[in-house]
Amino acid sequence: EAGVTQSPTHLIKTRGQQATLRCSPISGHTSVYWYQQALGLGLQFLLWYDEGEERNRGNFPPRFSGRQFPNYSSELNVNALELEDSALYLCASSLGDRANNEQFFGPGTRLTVL
Amino acid sequence: QQQVKQSPQSLIVQKGGISIINCAYENTAFDYFPWYQQFPGKGPALLIAIRPDVSEKKEGRFTISFNKSAKQFSLHIMDSQPGDSATYFCAASGDSGTYKYIFGTGTRLKVLA
Repeated sequence: EAGVTQSPTHLIKTRGQQATLRCSPISGHTSVYWYQQALGLGLQFLLWYDEGEERNRGNFPPRFSGRQFPNYSSELNVNALELEDSALYLCASSLGDRANNEQFFGPGTRLTVL
Repeated sequence: QQQVKQSPQSLIVQKGGISIINCAYENTAFDYFPWYQQFPGKGPALLIAIRPDVSEKKEGRFTISFNKSAKQFSLHIMDSQPGDSATYFCAASGDSGTYKYIFGTGTRLKVLA
């Protein structure tokens, strides 16, 4: 069974540009989570999507947004990029219910903002 | 109240020794506590998880000990191996009906050969 996949692996942008990151969950998983992992820091929750709806967002500005498609894949968009947005962006998926909340992570997209 | 405090920040253990990483939380609504292992350049991989209805869970060389009254939980790695050298994160979830994880800050483990 294929795991969570993310693309691209690396992304280099300049300040002020927009970045789009993509995630495909494990087959059968309806929930997708996005986390930011800045260098040397822990994982900070960004967004949670389930059944196509945004269910919760972390303490990040509105220029971080996303969506979930009918096939449960997801996209994270970061507008007006700032230098401090440079980080590893991790996507995780789960079955989306309380009894089965194991989250499985993808390899991440390394975003570098110059 | 949303924080999960993890210690130590780094840990060096001899091969064959026991590695112990501790986490503490405040929010009593948390009801799921996973541990993740992350190698450089990779995404975190789920190691083991526990719910508050049990005090201990063991999978191979990995054991979670859970103390509900103290709001603490810990990961024990028995017979630590150089291949265990990685960063370990604890997490908690279940607050307010959301399933997001609140992660600890991570522990960088190095096992000496």
